[in-house]
Amino acid sequence: AQTVTQSQPEMSVQEAETVTLSCTYDTSENNYYLFWYKQPPSRQMILVIRQEAYKQQNATENRFSVNFQKAAKSFSLKISDSQLGDTAMYFCAFMKLGNNDMRFGAGTRLTVKP
Amino acid sequence: KAGVTQTPRYLIKTRGQQVTLSCSPISGHRSVSWYQQTPGQGLQFLFEYFSETQRNKGNFPGRFSGRQFSNSRSEMNVSTLELGDSALYLCASSLQQVTYNEQFFGPGTRLTVL
Repeated sequence: AQTVTQSQPEMSVQEAETVTLSCTYDTSENNYYLFWYKQPPSRQMILVIRQEAYKQQNATENRFSVNFQKAAKSFSLKISDSQLGDTAMYFCAFMKLGNNDMRFGAGTRLTVKP
Repeated sequence: KAGVTQTPRYLIKTRGQQVTLSCSPISGHRSVSWYQQTPGQGLQFLFEYFSETQRNKGNFPGRFSGRQFSNSRSEMNVSTLELGDSALYLCASSLQQVTYNEQFFGPGTRLTVL
């Protein structure tokens, strides 16, 4: 079974600074996807970034980037130039290739302070 | 294109009752997945439907069931409600299951069991 662990229940960062959220996972699969989802206080889950396990290059989406270490089963999210609108719960998630059953971590509550 | 919609948004029931929640996927999406979100257990996968067939199922008791209609709309039903069923129920839709397609989440239905 796949498990996803987020060891930081809460984090805070000053506006315009950089913050890194941690995620580790456990799987025996070789082909899978990893995701970071954002859930603002309004509750709508939004995909922030995704990484295919077969790709060595780390994914980036504007201010968001990941550090994917496949051997270490680590998948951290870096948010640069943090903005007040980044305040949300962030969930790391795992999904096997060809399967829509996503496994989520417990989440990290990020607060961006002005 | 309209997003994923869920009805009702809020629901209050008493123990022992049953409840039906509805999810309308994005037009053209054929896969619908359901998740339960609670403070204690986090986000947990319930089941996934694709072309009116349940393709994957999480580790939930038989009181939790679902179905999908020919227009891809999906319903989930919880019978004999328990206090622990109080949760935010999220559904997510995607184009198809075989290859990766981004899952788009709805706003959720907040179920409170008294």
